[in-house]
Amino acid sequence: NAGVTQTPKFRILKIGQSMTLQCAQDMNHNYMYWYRQDPGMGLKLIYYSVGAGITDKGEVPNGYNVSRSTTEDFPLRLELAAPSQTSVYFCASSFSPGQSIYGYTFGSGTRLTVV
Amino acid sequence: AQKITQTQPGMFVQEKEAVTLDCTYDTSDPSYGLFWYKQPSSGEMIFLIYQGSYDQQNATEGRYSLNFQKARKSANLVISASQLGDSAMYFCALSLIDKLIFGTGTRLQVFP
Repeated sequence: NAGVTQTPKFRILKIGQSMTLQCAQDMNHNYMYWYRQDPGMGLKLIYYSVGAGITDKGEVPNGYNVSRSTTEDFPLRLELAAPSQTSVYFCASSFSPGQSIYGYTFGSGTRLTVV
Repeated sequence: AQKITQTQPGMFVQEKEAVTLDCTYDTSDPSYGLFWYKQPSSGEMIFLIYQGSYDQQNATEGRYSLNFQKARKSANLVISASQLGDSAMYFCALSLIDKLIFGTGTRLQVFP
């Protein structure tokens, strides 16, 4: 049972480059999330999805794009990388948010540096 | 507006003592959940404890308990008998019908 798998674990990008952070889950969770965590700060929601084909913006969506063509995968696209996007990115999934003991499963994170 | 607030950027506690980490939230949804996560220096998010908005009793998980005061919209984490390994960042999070939002965190340092 792999849970939530994020790739890559580390990446260095040059300003203006683009990349896709991959996130996959094998628990058949409908709900998936992307967060960023700046040093010493909390996690901020970038985008989320309540099912295949449905995505919505979170608190900090600017500079990012997502798609959800399958239940399993929820890639995050960075276009024209900027130093302000240097952060640790977490992907998470949930069977049933809200008032639910099932909770959320987190990936191990992707540490991205833009230079 | 939905919001979750942690007002203590850092806390110190002596080993074997109890410590309370504060968390307040704001939502108009009647159904929600409250989570506490621990993030050690290695970076992973570790689930500690959960409280549902309709739960009558405060949640407990080993040395962790959640002091849930619904009318005051607070969900404080109490760690009893602190251990050196409890030193970490602690995040309170509000679970809504479709998403989870986090507070800014409290850095707990346990000293001998």
